[in-house]
Parts: sequence; C-alpha cells; structure tokens
Amino acid sequence: DGGITQSPKYLFRKEGQNVTLSCEQNLNHDAMYWYRQDPGQGLRLIYYSQIVNDFQKGDIAEGYSVSREKKESFPLTVTSAQKNPTAFYLCATRDRGLYGYTFGSGTRLTVV
Amino acid sequence: GDSVTQMEGPVTLSEEAFLTINCTYTATGYPSLFWYVQYPGEGLQLLLKATKADDKGSNKGFEATYRKETTSFHLEKGSVQVSDSAVYFCALSDQGNAGKSTFGDGTTLTVKP
Repeated sequence: DGGITQSPKYLFRKEGQNVTLSCEQNLNHDAMYWYRQDPGQGLRLIYYSQIVNDFQKGDIAEGYSVSREKKESFPLTVTSAQKNPTAFYLCATRDRGLYGYTFGSGTRLTVV
Repeated sequence: GDSVTQMEGPVTLSEEAFLTINCTYTATGYPSLFWYVQYPGEGLQLLLKATKADDKGSNKGFEATYRKETTSFHLEKGSVQVSDSAVYFCALSDQGNAGKSTFGDGTTLTVKP
C-alpha cells in the first residue's frame, strides 16, 4: 500500500545538536510539507516543496532546513539555532489538485 | 491572509448524542475545505472534503456543508460513538496559495459510554 513513512517515531536531542527527521513517500505525490504541532495547538507550516530541487519557507522556518533531491524524500533538519524544538513533527504530501493532504504518523522530538 | 476558526473545546458528549463542531474561515480566493481527525500519538487523517459552495462532504456518518454565504463548514454527526473520541481539525486550501493548507487549532472530542 502507498503511504508516508516518518522515522524515527521518537527522537531525543541534546542541546546544541542538529538532528534530521526522515520523510519518505511512495504515493508519487509532487508536493510535500513539514508541519510542527505543539500541545493543544494547530499545525504550523515549516517548509514545503512542490517539485524536486525546489522548496520554500513556511511560517516558522527559522532554525530548520530541508532538501528535496528526490521526489520520494523530504528530510527536515532541526538545527541548534531552533531554540524550542520540542514538538510533534508531521510530514504531509498532496497530489495535484486540492483534494487534501496525506499525513505521516509523525516524529516526536524532545530536547534533553 | 487565510484563516480558520474552530469552536473551542474540549467537547464532551455521551454516546449516541448529536455532534456539531463549528468552523468558519476567511480566504481571499475560492478555497477547498476539509475536516481532518487525529487520534492520540498519530498523524492527521482526512475525514471529508468539499471543493465548492453548497457541496456536502460525508464519511463514516460525519457530514459538513460548504456554506459560502456564511463562510462556514460545520462538522456534524447524528450519533457519536466512543471510538469517535479524537481531535478534529478544520482546514482550507487555496489554489492561489500554492495549495498550502491553513488549519484551525483543533477541537478535542471525548465521547463517554
């Protein structure tokens, strides 16, 4: 079955470390998105990519970086410049047209 | 810019009660509207959608009608079950905004037996 795989499910980061969250899809969708979810809050857009080798900043891009070298993959790096990285991170894809997103199961990042 | 406002939660209902979760939106173009559901520790799942005015989206007993005149997309279910307990998000996507979605803050529903 087609879907989105996010890994790892849980991730612990020490202060000052960079960490990379993986997002892989086999849906053949063009657009991919990274959202951050904090407890009791909605989703905030970090980065998005509509095609390979192209991506744009979302509303809260500071302290994050991405790449889109393959259609299937859109990894997110949380850098040491992100001062409050503890959150639930969601990757999503969208096929052409406005028919909604498909989400991965998320990665919970905790700073220790 | 685009925005989505959902009724504040949490909402607690008894099994078989009627559910309404209000959602209103602001958008510059002609958005598509969505409801997503999120179970604990999981990602969001698309519940239903409507792509133009007066469309009714429906799935698993849930319904919502795209009301352009009131800029609303309220979620309803006639008889909720314990298994419907989750967080529900209203969202919109605007073709003029690179297809990006704007989400409401979510409404937590708890259904008690």
